[in-house]
Amino acid sequence: GAGVSQSPSNKVTEKGKDVELRCDPISGHTALYWYRQRLGQGLEFLIYFQGNSAPDKSGLPSDRFSAERTGESVSTLTIQRTQQEDSAVYLCASSLSQGAYEQYFGPGTRLTVT
Amino acid sequence: GNSVTQMEGPVTLSEEAFLTINCTYTATGYPSLFWYVQYPGEGLQLLLKATKADDKGSNKGFEATYRKETTSFHLEKGSVQVSDSAVYFCALSGGYSGAGSYQLTFGKGTKLSVIP
Repeated sequence: GAGVSQSPSNKVTEKGKDVELRCDPISGHTALYWYRQRLGQGLEFLIYFQGNSAPDKSGLPSDRFSAERTGESVSTLTIQRTQQEDSAVYLCASSLSQGAYEQYFGPGTRLTVT
Repeated sequence: GNSVTQMEGPVTLSEEAFLTINCTYTATGYPSLFWYVQYPGEGLQLLLKATKADDKGSNKGFEATYRKETTSFHLEKGSVQVSDSAVYFCALSGGYSGAGSYQLTFGKGTKLSVIP
């Protein structure tokens, strides 16, 4: 594909429900990142995948958040038992390798927890 | 840990005015510095970057110089256009070796509006 894609573009869910967000990185990009942007705040790092290495989960805000990536392809971010403070835009980015600092961002998923 | 502080907006300028958006950072070691831009309705795009001290990044008439002595990476443009209206984010990556050093640390963003 031409760029990083994410789905869904918008998600409204009730408090307590689980949600799954998807990211398709640029083909050939080994590094993949998830970020969160809450209203009026900057982007916060959540998790980083590099090839087959163990992911860096240091940014995940709680154990309700998890992410998976199979090889160098699609990644899913799962939020269990959603809370209102989880409402944000979730952005995915990929880069050619961990040594290539330019990250290409997807359009994001806007999550609203009611 | 790493942090980025940028001037808060919104900033409103007339077309052809001079633009400066201040950005300072805190990091250990030698980070790479970036400006990202988000145009209305679009995703984040890399605008320019600098990977070592005294480097100048430039693109689309925008410039920023990596100043290690003042830990700054201010964004400038000599003559803004209406099409430059967007949100601008300063960010850094790296700065030390170790797990997670490649994620970006962002400022809160500065919204720029350019009026004709």
